[in-house]
Amino acid sequence: DGGITQSPKYLFRKEGQNVTLSCEQNLNHDAMYWYRQDPGQGLRLIYYSQIVNDFQKGDIAEGYSVSREKKESFPLTVTSAQKNPTAFYLCASRTTGTGYGYTFGSGTRLTVV
Amino acid sequence: DQQVKQNSPSLSVQEGRISILNCDYTNSMFDYFLWYKKYPAEGPTFLISISSIKDKNEDGRFTVFLNKSAKHLSLHIVPSQPGDSAVYFCAATSSFRSGSARQLTFGSGTQLTVLP
Repeated sequence: DGGITQSPKYLFRKEGQNVTLSCEQNLNHDAMYWYRQDPGQGLRLIYYSQIVNDFQKGDIAEGYSVSREKKESFPLTVTSAQKNPTAFYLCASRTTGTGYGYTFGSGTRLTVV
Repeated sequence: DQQVKQNSPSLSVQEGRISILNCDYTNSMFDYFLWYKKYPAEGPTFLISISSIKDKNEDGRFTVFLNKSAKHLSLHIVPSQPGDSAVYFCAATSSFRSGSARQLTFGSGTQLTVLP
C-alpha cells in the first residue's frame, strides 16, 4: 500500500541535542512538507520541498533544517536552536499534478526533557 | 496574520443531530477549500473539498457550503455519530499558484465531540 511513514512515533530529546525525524513516502509524490501542530494553533508550515535537492522555508523554519536527497525521503532535524521543540510533527506529500490535497503521515510526538 | 480562521476551538453535539463547523478566510486569492479530520496521535485525513465555482458540495453525511462574498465556509455533518469526534481542520489554497507551490493554509482546528 502506498503511503507516508513517519518514525519514530514518540521521541524524547534532552535539551541541547539535535534530533532527526524521518519521513518516507512511496506515493511517487514530488512535493513534501513538514508541519508542526501545537494546541490551539493548528498546523504551521516548517519547510517544504518541491523537487529533489531543493527546499524552501515555511512560516516557522527557525531552529529546523531539512534535506531532500531522494524523492522518497524528507527528514527534518530539530536543532538545539529551536527554543520550544516539544510538539507533534506531521509530514505530508502531494503530487504536482492537478490535485490540491495532501497525504499525511501519522506524525511524531517530540518531547524535550 | 491568520489567513484561515476557525473561531470555535470546540463543539459538542448530541448523537443524531447536526454538527456545523465554521471557517473564515481573509485571502481573496483562495479559491479551493478542504476539510481534514484528525484523531489524536494520527495524521489528518482528507474529508471533503469545494472549489470556488461551487457553493455546495455533498458527500454522504458531509456537506460543505461556501459563501464567497462573506469569505466563509461551513461543514455540516448530518446525522452526527460518536465516531465523528475528532479535530476538524479547514484548509485553503489558490489555483493561481502552480504545482508544488500550491500549499495549503490551515486553520487552527475545531474539536468536535459527539455525545451518545
